[in-house]
Formats: sequence, structure tokens, C-alpha cells
Amino acid sequence: RKEVEQDPGPFNVPEGATVAFNCTYSNSASQSFFWYRQDCRKEPKLLMSVYSSGNEDGRFTAQLNRASQYISLLIRDSKLSDSATYLCAVNLNNFNKFYFGSGTKLNVKP
Amino acid sequence: DADVTQTPRNRITKTGKRIMLECSQTKGHDRMYWYRQDPGLGLRLIYYSFDVKDINKGEISDGYSVSRQAQAKFSLSLESAIPNQTALYFCATSAGEGGNEQFFGPGTRLTVL
Repeated sequence: RKEVEQDPGPFNVPEGATVAFNCTYSNSASQSFFWYRQDCRKEPKLLMSVYSSGNEDGRFTAQLNRASQYISLLIRDSKLSDSATYLCAVNLNNFNKFYFGSGTKLNVKP
Repeated sequence: DADVTQTPRNRITKTGKRIMLECSQTKGHDRMYWYRQDPGLGLRLIYYSFDVKDINKGEISDGYSVSRQAQAKFSLSLESAIPNQTALYFCATSAGEGGNEQFFGPGTRLTVL
């Protein structure tokens, strides 16, 4: 079983739509959680960290559900520029390793 | 200037050749990582290093070796390249404990014929 799993998509949504992605992780000892954005043929870049209490940054909201072992990313009022692949990452602090999901592709269309 | 740089950015080579990918960082981070990315498989950790004297295998280290020449430099070698090592390779750095984000280099696209 993979440490981190994501629906690969693609999610095809119109501009202005709200879209949500989930990411499940297998190790209950995971302690740090992140969402990264990756544009085609580019490096991943941190979008936001995911805190236990959840966090919001403009149109983006991230949530953590420890009981069910998943994190989520909600994007409101989608823009064309949001089109990218979104990777989730978890870290087992005790082992200092990051595990990345394979990414969810988002296409925002006019 | 980019904080994490990788050279070369693209490389085409033949089976059996020795290849070295280099990574340099100006972020002052102690921790450095090498990943490969393949379609549908996401990022997979090859090797990681928490300081100059520390080298650790990741989940797919077979066929690869690394060298941490200095705090700022971490190189990845393929001693005898094979076609299934064709992939996009990323170097990354992070500071301190695992709760800190990783910063990625621009990637090296390697093709082994």
C-alpha cells in the first residue's frame, strides 16, 4: 500500500467553480502535512501547510482529518491560472522522511 | 538567482554510461534530498542527507549513489545508466525538523537510450 494516495484526476472544472481534492495517508504517525502545486515540467512549490485546526489562504482552504487519515484542499472561485497538478505530502517527523502523493491534475476551463 | 540549482537541466545518454547530476543550494539548509518523478508514480525518494557526514537511502536507491561534498552541494550518480532510469530528477532542501517545507530545484530531465 502506498504511503500517500490521491485521485489522479483530471478534474475539469469551469472558471468560478469550487473544487476539492482529498489525499489519504496510511501511517497514523504522520505529523506534518502539505499541499504543493506543480506546473507542467516544473518543480513542485509549496502551496500551503496543513495544520490540525485547518487553514485558509485566500481562495484555498486546507483541512486535516486525523481520525480518517486524510487531508483536503478546497479551491473556491477557480481561476484559469489554478490549472496545475496538486501534490499532497506527509512527513513522519520521527523518521524525517517526506512522502508525496502522485498528484491530482486540475484543468480550469473558460 | 534560484536558491536551489541543478545541472544539467536535460541529458540524453546511452545505456551503461556513468552520469552525475549536481545540486547546489544557497539557502543554508542542512537537509538535502534527491527524488525521481515518473508519470503516475509521483515523487519517490532516492537518497537524503541531513548533514555533510550523513547519507541515507530512500525507497528506491538501487542503481544510484550520492555524494555530499559540502553543505551546499549534493550530487547523484548513476554508475551504469539503464533505460528505466529515464525520469525527471529533483533535488530538494529543507531546514531543521521535518515540519518544514521542502524547496525544490528546477529538475533534470534524464533520458537513457
